[in-house]
Amino acid sequence: EAGVTQSPTHLIKTRGQQATLRCSPISGHTSVYWYQQALGLGLQFLLWYDEGEERNRGNFPPRFSGRQFPNYSSELNVNALELEDSALYLCASSSSGSYNSPLHFGNGTRLTVT
Amino acid sequence: GESVGLHLPTLSVQEGDNSIINCAYSNSASDYFIWYKQESGKGPQFIIDIRSNMDKRQGQRVTVLLNKTVKHLSLQIAATQPGDSAVYFCAENGDAGNNRKLIWGLGTSLAVNP
Repeated sequence: EAGVTQSPTHLIKTRGQQATLRCSPISGHTSVYWYQQALGLGLQFLLWYDEGEERNRGNFPPRFSGRQFPNYSSELNVNALELEDSALYLCASSSSGSYNSPLHFGNGTRLTVT
Repeated sequence: GESVGLHLPTLSVQEGDNSIINCAYSNSASDYFIWYKQESGKGPQFIIDIRSNMDKRQGQRVTVLLNKTVKHLSLQIAATQPGDSAVYFCAENGDAGNNRKLIWGLGTSLAVNP
């Protein structure tokens, strides 16, 4: 069974540009989560999608947005990039039918903003 | 200029010894706790979870202990191996009541000496 896949693995952008990150969940998983992992700050919750709808978002500005497609894959968009957006962006998926079930993570997209 | 990063707590053990990684959680309303392992260049990997109606749970070579009185969680790894070298994160579900917005610790780096 394929795990969570993310693309690209690395992305370099300049300040003010837009970045698009992609995620394919484990087959059968309908929930997708996005986390930001910045150096020294641990994992910070960004967004949760389930069945195509945004269910919750973390404490991030509106220039962080995304969507979930009918096949449950997801896209994270970051507009007007700032230097402090440089981080590892992790996508995870889970079965939405479980009240508490482990999240399964991809290996992330390393975003560097110069 | 020179940047200074935060240094993770580090636990250094000899191969074959037992390891204990500790975590203090913050929210007394949390009822689900989970441990992840993150190797360099990879996303977090699920190790073991525990619900608040339990105080101990065992997996393969790992045991999680939960002390709700002092809001403390620990991960014990038996017969530590070089492949166990990684950063270990604990997470709690806070007052969300589910795993949708896990609150993550900053991590502990485990170094296994051959």
